[in-house]
Amino acid sequence: KQEVTQIPAALSVPEGENLVLNCSFTDSAIYNLQWFRQDPGKGLTSLLLIQSSQREQTSGRLNASLDKSSGRSTLYIAASQPGDSATYLCAVISNQAGTALIFGKGTTLSVSS
Amino acid sequence: NAGVTQTPKFRILKIGQSMTLQCTQDMNHNYMYWYRQDPGMGLKLIYYSVGAGITDKGEVPNGYNVSRSTTEDFPLRLELAAPSQTSVYFCASSRTTGGYGYTFGSGTRLTVV
Repeated sequence: KQEVTQIPAALSVPEGENLVLNCSFTDSAIYNLQWFRQDPGKGLTSLLLIQSSQREQTSGRLNASLDKSSGRSTLYIAASQPGDSATYLCAVISNQAGTALIFGKGTTLSVSS
Repeated sequence: NAGVTQTPKFRILKIGQSMTLQCTQDMNHNYMYWYRQDPGMGLKLIYYSVGAGITDKGEVPNGYNVSRSTTEDFPLRLELAAPSQTSVYFCASSRTTGGYGYTFGSGTRLTVV
């Protein structure tokens, strides 16, 4: 059974720092991996999606990498801002026809000004 | 463009009561999903639908029922509410499978006392 683990569970950093969030999964047979952002009282927003054949994806200050063979992904946030404060969730899906995203528990990030 | 709309946002139920969580989307997506998120945990799939009239169980379906009579609506029914169903419920939709283009609603926070 696929399990997704995120480390750390919580992270506090001062504004301007670069930071890395970690995600690991037990079954390397994934179709793709996504990073979501969750704000309190709101739904999830997809940040980056990495296909299993890809090594990384970038969007603005965010960069996500994927090492499928080792079952790991990282989300790198450059020059963090208070507006980045949120919970970040990693999720994998097993195949193209898959309907169930398997989520980690998330990392709650707090960026202080 | 409203996206995915969930009602109500908050609800307190007594043990044994029943209720329906409403979900509607205006993007003409075929695929719709119900997830629950317990405190400090990732999201788990309850039920999903691949189109009007077609539904299937996810990882944690016990105690819930769904129906999909139209493309737009995917209500989740709780019969005989139990404290273990205290959670935040998210409805989502997507145009296709494989994890692409998920749109989440803002959630319903349910407490069973």
